[in-house]
This record gives sequence, C-alpha cells and structure tokens, in this order.
Amino acid sequence: DSGVTQTPKHLITATGQRVTLRCSPRSGDLSVYWYQQSLDQGLQFLIQYYNGEERAKGNILERFSAQQFPDLHSELNLSSLELGDSALYFCASSEAVNSPLHFGNGTRLTVT
Amino acid sequence: AQSVTQLDSQVPVFEEAPVELRCNYSSSVSVYLFWYVQYPNQGLQLLLKYLSGSTLVKGINGFEAEFNKSQTSFHLRKPSVHISDTAEYFCAVSELTGGGNKLTFGTGTQLKVEL
Repeated sequence: DSGVTQTPKHLITATGQRVTLRCSPRSGDLSVYWYQQSLDQGLQFLIQYYNGEERAKGNILERFSAQQFPDLHSELNLSSLELGDSALYFCASSEAVNSPLHFGNGTRLTVT
Repeated sequence: AQSVTQLDSQVPVFEEAPVELRCNYSSSVSVYLFWYVQYPNQGLQLLLKYLSGSTLVKGINGFEAEFNKSQTSFHLRKPSVHISDTAEYFCAVSELTGGGNKLTFGTGTQLKVEL
C-alpha cells in the first residue's frame, strides 16, 4: 500500500460530461502529481502541485484542470469529455520536489 | 526537453534466468533516474532510484541498475528472475525546473517470466 488514495476506482460517463477525480496524498507529502495512462499514449504527465501551488505542467488539455487544497488533497476535473479521454488516471505524491513518487492505484475512466 | 527510450516492448525470459531491461535517456539538466514496476490493475511501485553517487544502484526484489553517463543509459538487471517478476517495467527521468518536477516515463517493457 503506497498510502496514496484515489477515488473513485472506476468511473463510467458519457461524452460531453464533466467528472472530478480525487486524490489524498501520503501523510506528510506536500507534492501531488497527476498522470494519464492509455494504451496509445503511455504514461503522460499532466500537472504537479506543491503545497497548493502549481509547479509543473505537462500535456494537460485545456478541458482539464486541477487544484490542491489546504489539506493537501487534490482534485482533477475533466470536462467536455471525449471518447479519447478514456484512460487510467494516476495520482502520485512525494515528500519533496526531488523525492521519488508514490502512486495510487488509479481511477479508470470510461467515456461512452 | 528530456525523453526516455525503452527499446524493448516485451522481454520473455525463463524462470531463474538473468534479465536486462534497457533504458536510454536524454536530458539537458542534472539527471535523476528511476525504475518503476506496475503489476496488473495496480499503480506504479518504485524499484530503485539514481540521484547521485555510486553508479550501481540496488533496489527492491533483487533488481539493480547501472547509470552510465557516457552512454546515457540506465539499464535494469536481475541475475535470476522469478515468476512473480512478471509485470511492466517503466524507466523514468526527472527534470527539476522552476521549483517543479516533471517525471517523464518511457513506454514500458513487459517482462514475461515463463516456467
């Protein structure tokens, strides 16, 4: 158990809808990362927060947004969903910016 | 920009045989390298990391990796594999810029251990 908790585990929704994925980092970790894993794109870095502040941005679509709250949990919001957004979304956390990442078990999103 | 290349998408190997999973990277800044393992329906688990110091890094489950700066490689090795090592293995390089960390993963290598 990595200590990173992601909810929900599975999510099925229709095109055009909006969903929110939630992540609770390991106790003591200030940094949260979001990744998207799909068969055709592999593991893609989306965004990183550190203590509530955005620190790094990857290939995150404009339809996607994230935030990290004062209690350090994070949410990833995906809107105007398309079929191609179907993927496994991972959250990871780390103690410091250059520390190894610890991953949650992911949220599997299916867009129909 | 940094990148990671894992040349082998699949590596079949018999149990108790040695294995090497190859990883090459490119990075314009200081290099921090990692290997992660992903078992079916699970998240990624850290196997080992190279931050600095000795170029031979030992990790969990008997795995080790060697950082080779001149060849920009970070190959993962295990002298004798077990059925339970069957999983997907990802090499990753970390780029620390502007107070952030972009950890870039390779495309992964599926290790299949056979009896």
